Amino acid sequence: DAGITQSPRHKVTETGTPVTLRCHQTENHRYMYWYRQDPGHGLRLIHYSYGVKDTDKGEVSDGYSVSRSKTEDFLLTLESATSSQTSVYFCAISLADQETQYFGPGTRLLVL
Amino acid sequence: ILNVEQSPQSLHVQEGDSTNFTCSFPSSNFYALHWYRWETAKSPEALFVMTLNGDEKKKGRISATLNTKEGYSYLYIKGSQPEDSATYLCAFMSNTGNQFYFGTGTSLTVIP
Repeated sequence: DAGITQSPRHKVTETGTPVTLRCHQTENHRYMYWYRQDPGHGLRLIHYSYGVKDTDKGEVSDGYSVSRSKTEDFLLTLESATSSQTSVYFCAISLADQETQYFGPGTRLLVL
Repeated sequence: ILNVEQSPQSLHVQEGDSTNFTCSFPSSNFYALHWYRWETAKSPEALFVMTLNGDEKKKGRISATLNTKEGYSYLYIKGSQPEDSATYLCAFMSNTGNQFYFGTGTSLTVIP
């Protein structure tokens, strides 16, 4: 199994509060991704990174920001959480953009 | 946003039956297609990476074909077993973009 961890694994927060999710990898893969998974939508890309300090927006980036200061860590921040951001968040990594993606265990976020 | 469709949405088969499902994607600007297997309460796991028209990949009882000119890929499972029960996702990347677009998956239940 690819060495990918996500923290926290579960979180309950209130509308308007900031939330940061962490993805940590031990594989030294260049690419890292944040997805959200919602019923009826499958996996949708929020942001991705193609190197340290190199990030780009995905399909559903509004309301989210990311940072990658080290190869192994990719942070997803909800600056002011909203109920529509209640979801399961998955981190993934890959060696190159078209290569296999390896997924973390997911973080379940509930925004009340 | 690119449209990636999977059919059927769900499927129930008897143990021992062979089955197949479809992933449809835009027929222009193809770059890569991935298939993933996603068991309940786990993370998606890669099955196949397909990059060339006519590609056929096989892993045990599971195989996949790719037709980039008409924009579809088939996933076949021969002699389904209960442990094959999972959601099967496909993900498409175009050569004009930089992200994978996931379908909503086909949920397979194999009845013993």
